[in-house]
Amino acid sequence: SQQGEEDPQALSIQEGENATMNCSYKTSINNLQWYRQNSGRGLVHLILIRSNEREKHSGRLRVTLDTSKKSSSLLITASRAADTASYFCATGISGSARQLTFGSGTQLTVLP
Amino acid sequence: SAVISQKPSRDICQRGTSLTIQCQVDSQVTMMFWYRQQPGQSLTLIATANQGSEATYESGFVIDKFPISRPNLTFSTLTVSNMSPEDSSIYLCSGLVDQQNQETQYFGPGTRLLVL
Repeated sequence: SQQGEEDPQALSIQEGENATMNCSYKTSINNLQWYRQNSGRGLVHLILIRSNEREKHSGRLRVTLDTSKKSSSLLITASRAADTASYFCATGISGSARQLTFGSGTQLTVLP
Repeated sequence: SAVISQKPSRDICQRGTSLTIQCQVDSQVTMMFWYRQQPGQSLTLIATANQGSEATYESGFVIDKFPISRPNLTFSTLTVSNMSPEDSSIYLCSGLVDQQNQETQYFGPGTRLLVL
């Protein structure tokens, strides 16, 4: 079964609003990564957070990691229509970041 | 980041035929992987492509169905053999890059396969 489960499965917001997506996982991890996938396309790496980090920023993205709760969140601030995509979390298991296990994904729609 | 390309970008194939997908990565990549993404689903790892030796397959995937080659560090192929409509998916290769002692996977654009 998949390591990560994301919620919500789908999220629809207005341009300019913030979007928050959550990811939960089951086992110990080395790192957690977030990817974006535009419809039918390849994955774009967004951000990586290590297991000893609690928060990380990259532009309009903010990722948090709570290893005690085995959960992470991705916040996109001031969303744009171009942010419309599927967002996946992926975990690298403890001791090895080489094999990623992907969550189920959140489909984000940003309405203009 | 790493530059990863795949071809073909998409194909429509007949049942029973085979398709070989190529993946080219730049020299930063240390490991290569192949994933499948079925319609509306997340990604599932098929195998790790090993240079000069047999790929390491995940549970549920076998070499006869998905033969993989990696003749050198920067190139790999995945063949989808004896295709059926259930093989209709996006197939993605990825490369592992070690940046500042942290390994990150970068993905190719994917190959969208439709089997009729």
